[in-house]
Amino acid sequence: EVQLVESGGGLVQPGGSLRLSCAASGFTFSSYAMSWVRQAPGKGLEWVSAISGSGGSTYYADSVKGRFTISRDNSKNTLYLQMNSLRAEDTAVYYCAKCMVRGVILHAFDIWGQGTMVTVSS
Amino acid sequence: DIQMTQSPSSLSASVGDRVTITCQASQDISNYLNWYQQKPGKAPKLLIYDASNLETGVPSRFSGSGSGTDFTFTISSLQPEDIATYYCQQYDNLYTFGQGTKLEIK
Repeated sequence: EVQLVESGGGLVQPGGSLRLSCAASGFTFSSYAMSWVRQAPGKGLEWVSAISGSGGSTYYADSVKGRFTISRDNSKNTLYLQMNSLRAEDTAVYYCAKCMVRGVILHAFDIWGQGTMVTVSS
Repeated sequence: DIQMTQSPSSLSASVGDRVTITCQASQDISNYLNWYQQKPGKAPKLLIYDASNLETGVPSRFSGSGSGTDFTFTISSLQPEDIATYYCQQYDNLYTFGQGTKLEIK
């Protein structure tokens, strides 16, 4: 079964850091680009960051550029999001998502994790 | 940046109704447009990719059309289980989601 499972969310103070993980199974992880998408409480979906299958190319939304870092460990089938200098407006459910087509950076997200909640508050 | 304008933001319809949602891109995105369904407390689910292709396992009452800047998502006969929020997403230049359409039963 193709599956993504996020972990690492929690409560953090403004200015703090957090690292999210997304464990993948059921597919050849290294062949697919991956993304993080977030959803603030009661709000819509916002794409955050993407990474190529090899990890050699990364992309960020302007709202997180310079503060967040996406990475992956293909030997562990795991995607990461390092979040630094967190702000209240980063409070959201964070989803990892798999790109539908192997070998391309941008396409549809056919598999999503269940999400992990990040709350930035003092 | 490409902006996606989705309308309406909310919609109330009866079981069996034909429902249509539109999505307009701020520039030509060819057919690089996807549609997702999200039920409360759940992750989004891919329904339509490349503007008009039905994802495997998705009921045929769902369809999509359009290219360039104007796109349409249609449910041909609304079912109670279709109550959800629907989002369009462009992938011509990174990713942008529309603001969502909340669909309710009348």
